[in-house]
Order: sequence, then C-alpha cells, then structure tokens
Amino acid sequence: AQSVTQLGSHVSVSEGALVLLRCNYSSSVPPYLFWYVQYPNQGLQLLLKYTSAATLVKGINGFEAEFKKSETSFHLTKPSAHMSDAAEYFCAVSEGVGGSNYKLTFGKGTLLTVNP
Amino acid sequence: NAGVMQNPRHLVRRRGQEARLRCSPMKGHSHVYWYRQLPEEGLKFMVYLQKENIIDESGMPKERFSAEFPKEGPSILRIQQVVRGDSAAYFCASSINSGSNEQYFGPGTRLTVT
Repeated sequence: AQSVTQLGSHVSVSEGALVLLRCNYSSSVPPYLFWYVQYPNQGLQLLLKYTSAATLVKGINGFEAEFKKSETSFHLTKPSAHMSDAAEYFCAVSEGVGGSNYKLTFGKGTLLTVNP
Repeated sequence: NAGVMQNPRHLVRRRGQEARLRCSPMKGHSHVYWYRQLPEEGLKFMVYLQKENIIDESGMPKERFSAEFPKEGPSILRIQQVVRGDSAAYFCASSINSGSNEQYFGPGTRLTVT
C-alpha cells in the first residue's frame, strides 16, 4: 500500500521568495513520484516526475524536486516565487516498474498563495 | 490539440437521481482513468478503462457506480441513486500508452447532491 502526506495545506510566500512544498511518501516497492499543479477551474498539469533516474528532477516553470530515499521525501522547490505560481499543488506516488504503476495515489494538496 | 474534456463541469442532483459524467480523452489516447476527490481529501483512483474493456475497477464502490468506455464516444462514469456522500470532484485522465503513469487530466466535474 502507498500513501502520501503533504505537510501544510496552505503555504504563503512573498513574490521573489523561496517556495518549499513538502511531500513524504510511503511505499512497499520502489516508487515513482510526481508533482502536479492545478490552477483554478483547470485540470491537473504534470510539473515533474521521478522514475528512478537522477534524484534531482527539474520540471517546468523553474520547479525542481529531490528524491531522498532515506527521508522518504520528495519536496518541491523554486528559488523565486512568481505571482503566476499561485495554485494548488499535489504530490503523487505510484508503483514503479511492474505492478499497477498507472494507479496514482495523491496527497491532499497544498494551496500556494504568493503575496506581492 | 484539445486536452482531456469533461462535461458537465458542475452537476447538481437530488438524492436518488442518477448522475452521468462524461470524459473525452486527448486525441490519440485510448486509455482512461477516473479519480474521485472528496472534500479535504486527495484524489483517489477509481477505475482504469481501455476501449470496450474495464482493466482495473479496484477503486470503484461495489454498488451504484459503473463505468464504460465504448468503441465510439466518450467514457461515462455513472452513479445511480446518488447520496449526499457522493458529492465530490470527479477527474478523468487519459494516456497514450497502456497502463501509464504519464496521465493527462481533465478539469473535473463537481457533483453536488442535495
């Protein structure tokens, strides 16, 4: 069984400040990990994914995430927040190679607000 | 290139009525996944379909819920005799490859049961 915990349902930062959204996972098999972003009234858009290659993954819009097996974490960061980053962010996990890797398990989401 | 389309975007039903949610996958995609997001919860997998086949329905409630993806037309998630606990956002995703985690999501249907 897999699960995802996103610490902080709401994160608020100032424009230009560091963005850090936390995600911890549990998985009985080597996982694939994902970050999605959802803008109001839109579908979820894939930001980046980890599939057992490099542990530091770069995504779109300047976001990146680092897979840390020892900490079972996959935190999302961006050095400098922009107003357009305001959205809800979801961390997700699936089983890796083999198994039901299409079955994504999501965290509850973190709403990011960016203050001018 | 149109993305995943879902309609309606908002649906209000009274208890006991039926709800039909539609999902048109991205062009060229023949694999569809349905997820449900209850209030204050993350999205939860419900069902995975290919054209004319249900591949995995392990996340579907055993009663009142059904899904199909016919040879022609959109995928349909059907909820019979809705109850207040069915109020949620229902998201559809599609992929080009079989059983892929590279899924593209639609905007969701918000179902409210009164």
